[in-house]
Amino acid sequence: QSALTQPASVSGSPGQSITISCTGTSSDVGSYNLVSWYQQHPGKAPKVIIYEVSKRPSGVSNRFSGSKSGNTASLTISGLQAEDEADYYCCSYTGSTFVFGGGTKLTVL
Amino acid sequence: QVQLVESGGGLVKPGGSLRLSCAASGFTFSDYYMSWIRQAPGKGLEWVSYISSSSSYTNYADSVKGRFTISRDNAKNSLYLQMNSLRAEDTAVYYCARGGGYCSGGSCEMRYYFDYWGQGTLVTVSS
Repeated sequence: QSALTQPASVSGSPGQSITISCTGTSSDVGSYNLVSWYQQHPGKAPKVIIYEVSKRPSGVSNRFSGSKSGNTASLTISGLQAEDEADYYCCSYTGSTFVFGGGTKLTVL
Repeated sequence: QVQLVESGGGLVKPGGSLRLSCAASGFTFSDYYMSWIRQAPGKGLEWVSYISSSSSYTNYADSVKGRFTISRDNAKNSLYLQMNSLRAEDTAVYYCARGGGYCSGGSCEMRYYFDYWGQGTLVTVSS
């Protein structure tokens, strides 16, 4: 199972919006509405911020939103804040296993 | 509150074995599927394995199939990963994570995401 494809890095200024893409195949992202997104700060464990494509766990800011079209899922962060600077990973269920994206480093300028 | 604490990492030679443990607290461990997820130094996340709440179902990434075995002891609220025939490419921080499904009262609800993670334990495979 190949890793999902994410851009290596994205950046934005405080207050702006950014979108991170996550491209899979018809065997994973395209087949299931079971994409999740994780935020990881340096030296910390990942934290789920989106599950089932667009649902937010309790306590996660509504500045984070998710969507999917075909084989590509997207994470949008609006109103960028300094604390959003982190690595972001998508993950999809494949029918029997899970596959993660390679990760995207978000820099807040 | 939910806590997951991994242990058992360390330095091991290629071809060697290691057993990781994850102690869970703050929730009914026997109701939840559990997973191991790893992260090589400076690299991304890689799902390794999951086990159902009753140990009936397990699955593994192709990269570890036949070498790693996941297990759990619900009486001890503990998750394990037995790693054999270790290779340099197995060097990573190994995270224990809750996710995959929730079972209660004889029925299960699949949850295809990982809602709680431990802080990880580092496994280094080197001669």
